Amino acid sequence: GQQLNQSPQSMFIQEGEDVSMNCTSSSIFNTWLWYKQDPGEGPVLLIALYKAGELTSNGRLTAQFGITRKDSFLNISASIPSDVGIYFCAGPPFRAGNNRKLIWGLGTSLAVNP
Amino acid sequence: DADVTQTPRNRITKTGKRIMLECSQTKGHDRMYWYRQDPGLGLRLIYYSFDVKDINKGEISDGYSVSRQAQAKFSLSLESAIPNQTALYFCATSDFGGSSYNEQFFGPGTRLTVL
Repeated sequence: GQQLNQSPQSMFIQEGEDVSMNCTSSSIFNTWLWYKQDPGEGPVLLIALYKAGELTSNGRLTAQFGITRKDSFLNISASIPSDVGIYFCAGPPFRAGNNRKLIWGLGTSLAVNP
Repeated sequence: DADVTQTPRNRITKTGKRIMLECSQTKGHDRMYWYRQDPGLGLRLIYYSFDVKDINKGEISDGYSVSRQAQAKFSLSLESAIPNQTALYFCATSDFGGSSYNEQFFGPGTRLTVL
């Protein structure tokens, strides 16, 4: 089935560094969702984006809805050990009458060295 | 208290056994989903339900069935479990209307091992 392309697949950084990851698609999306999954837990919604060009923050996290509507970016500033986990992007493709199921990326795994 | 709960959290069973995973939610959402997660394969949709009388197959429904007993309850059954159904299973919910209807909220997951 259709999937979103997330990159990088994994990252290993030092505590205090900034992190950037992105999600791209060949199709237009009208919503972008960013989730974080801690080990052994379910994904938790971090940020939701609804308009092209929208920039939204949640604490040290900032996400942007790309102008082309085919991509989105998530940045984490000043990383801390509890940022460790897998970050997923997801969204419904822009098809009239079919905005029901989410398409998911495979995730970016983040490790933070204290 | 958690908004979306799943039971059991862990289950080990044998090939051929019937297994039921249960999901309950107190969010008042109409829509509920079952996903399966395998390493490197991300989240894959098994079944989804938009209300008590609505059941829809996802991308990997073979070998699974579901029951929506009430607005708040959605269970997943494996009629005859096989080893390649070993995975993490997640239940999720979403609201019906408003601008946030695509936002899904997940339970803590059930780790199922089929021997």
